[in-house]
This record gives sequence, C-alpha cells and structure tokens, in this order.
Amino acid sequence: GAVVSQHPSRVICKSGTSVKIECRSLDFQATTMFWYRQFPKKSLMLMATSNEGSKATYEQGVEKDKFLINHASLTLSTLTVTSAHPEDSSFYICSAPDNYGYTFGSGTRLTVV
Amino acid sequence: DAKTTQPNSMESNEEEPVHLPCNHSTISGTDYIHWYRQLPSQGPEYVIHGLTSNVNNRMASLAIAEDRKSSTLILHRATLRDAAVYYCILRDVGETSGSRLTFGEGTQLTVNP
Repeated sequence: GAVVSQHPSRVICKSGTSVKIECRSLDFQATTMFWYRQFPKKSLMLMATSNEGSKATYEQGVEKDKFLINHASLTLSTLTVTSAHPEDSSFYICSAPDNYGYTFGSGTRLTVV
Repeated sequence: DAKTTQPNSMESNEEEPVHLPCNHSTISGTDYIHWYRQLPSQGPEYVIHGLTSNVNNRMASLAIAEDRKSSTLILHRATLRDAAVYYCILRDVGETSGSRLTFGEGTQLTVNP
C-alpha cells in the first residue's frame, strides 16, 4: 500500500533554533499533504495543507511565519518550525490522500528545551 | 464535516471480539464512514471504510446501521497489538482528494491479557 515516510521520528532542539520535518510519499504522488499537531492525550489538530507548486493554506490561529511549509515536489513536503519554543513541543504528523483515504507518516516527536 | 460521537474508552480481553460503536446521526447520503486507529507514538493508520453495506477486510469488519446513523467497528479477536485510539470519521464521497480529515476524540481501546 501507499507509504509516507516521515523524518526525523524524534528530535530535541534548543529554544530559538529551527527544526525541519520531512515527509516523502514513497510509491505514489502526493499533490496534497496535510500537517497535524497532536498534544499528549489529545486528538490530531490540522495545522495546514500544502499543495505542490502553490502556497500552503493555514488553519486559523496557526502562524505561517513560524511553521514554514514547502511542497517542492510531488513526493516531498517539509514543515520547518522556526525559532522553536518549549510550547512548540508536540507530536507532528503528516498525511497524504491515497486510493482508500489517507496515509499518515509515523510522526515526529519534537521536544524544545 | 458531519459530527461523530464515540465512547471515550473501552476495554476488552485478549482473543475476544470487540465492538466499537460510532454515532453519526447527521450523516448525509454522500458521506463515507472511515475508521482509523492510532497506536501509541505513531501516526494513524487506515482500518476500514464503507458507505451503506457492511464491509470486511483482514483487519476488521464494519457494520453499518440500515439508517446509516450509526456504525460499529468489529475486531473479531482482539490482540494486545490492537490497543489504540480508534477514530470514526465521515468523509463526503463528493469531496476531492484534497479535502482534509477532521478527527474527533476517538475511543481508547485497552486490551487486557
């Protein structure tokens, strides 16, 4: 089946630094990628939608200058958390539509210290 | 997105069947019923989906009420690896592949050995 490879799976960074998360569709073309954030014991919350070749669409309350999304090709979308702060610590998950519905990446656990 | 209602948590014993309910009283005629599950520290994974008829696959069965206002995900023999949060989500069949999934709180399934 369809696979979305997400890296890194876990990252620890210092406050003020930037972190890039990559999601690659391995055996299909992902013209759209959804980026979610999940806090402990909570459900997934959509942050933004990226479309190959155009600007990402951000959900209300999500700072586009802080969460930079790039969808450079049909198989790669990236999320960069800029000037990270401890409150950005969370589980970030990407997802792309496939034949059945959606395929999700394995998630990135970001810890900002 | 039409709203779904699921119990917050359920428990089961290993090797016994599990019936996970979902209410979607405001479902429209073009809404597919999707089920995803999320194991600890992983991204969600597709389980099953259906429109009107009951569906079976290698992971589970989906029983859809005749009026489509509720559905039940059936795990025929629960294993410890089935412990996860199960999400019931409606998606309009007329939506493009670029439309997003909206997650509710889901049901936390605990499987006792």
